[in-house]
Amino acid sequence: KQEVTQIPAALSVPEGENLVLNCSFTDSAIYNLQWFRQDPGKGLTSLLLIQSSQREQTSGRLNASLDKSSGRSTLYIAASQPGDSATYLCAAHSYSGAGSYQLTFGKGTKLSVIP
Amino acid sequence: EAQVTQNPRYLITVTGKKLTVTCSQNMNHEYMSWYRQDPGLGLRQIYYSMNVEVTDKGDVPEGYKVSRKEKRNFPLILESPSPNQTSLYFCASQTSGGRADTQYFGPGTRLTVL
Repeated sequence: KQEVTQIPAALSVPEGENLVLNCSFTDSAIYNLQWFRQDPGKGLTSLLLIQSSQREQTSGRLNASLDKSSGRSTLYIAASQPGDSATYLCAAHSYSGAGSYQLTFGKGTKLSVIP
Repeated sequence: EAQVTQNPRYLITVTGKKLTVTCSQNMNHEYMSWYRQDPGLGLRQIYYSMNVEVTDKGDVPEGYKVSRKEKRNFPLILESPSPNQTSLYFCASQTSGGRADTQYFGPGTRLTVL
């Protein structure tokens, strides 16, 4: 059964710093890996999706990498801003049998960017 | 606007009183699912549906029912709610159950069972 771990659970950085969030997964037979953002009291917003055949994806100040062989993904945020403060979740998309796929989530990293 | 909607957003109820949380998407997505989010446990899948009339259990299905009679709707039913079902619930949808798709989430329903 797929397990996803995110370290650290919480991170506080001063505005303007570059930072890296880590995600690891136990079953390397994933189809894709997604990074989400969750604001307090809100739903999840998809940030980036990396296919299993890809090494990285970029969107603006965000860059996500994927290393299937080591079971790791990182989310790099450049020049952090207070508006980046949120909880970041990674989720591994794996085959769960009977022709269906399941998204397994990590518990998230709560990011605080201090002005 | 493409979106997943859930109702109600907040609900306080008592043990044993049947309730339904509705979920609707306007993107013609085939795949829909329900999750619950609890502190320290993260997001866990309750049920999912690959298409109309096709549903299956996720990781934590006990105490829940679902139905998928129309493509756009996927209600979550609690026949006899208990306090351990107090949680934040999310509905999500994606184009299909395939591997290339992004999941879109609703805004969440915060349920308290007294």
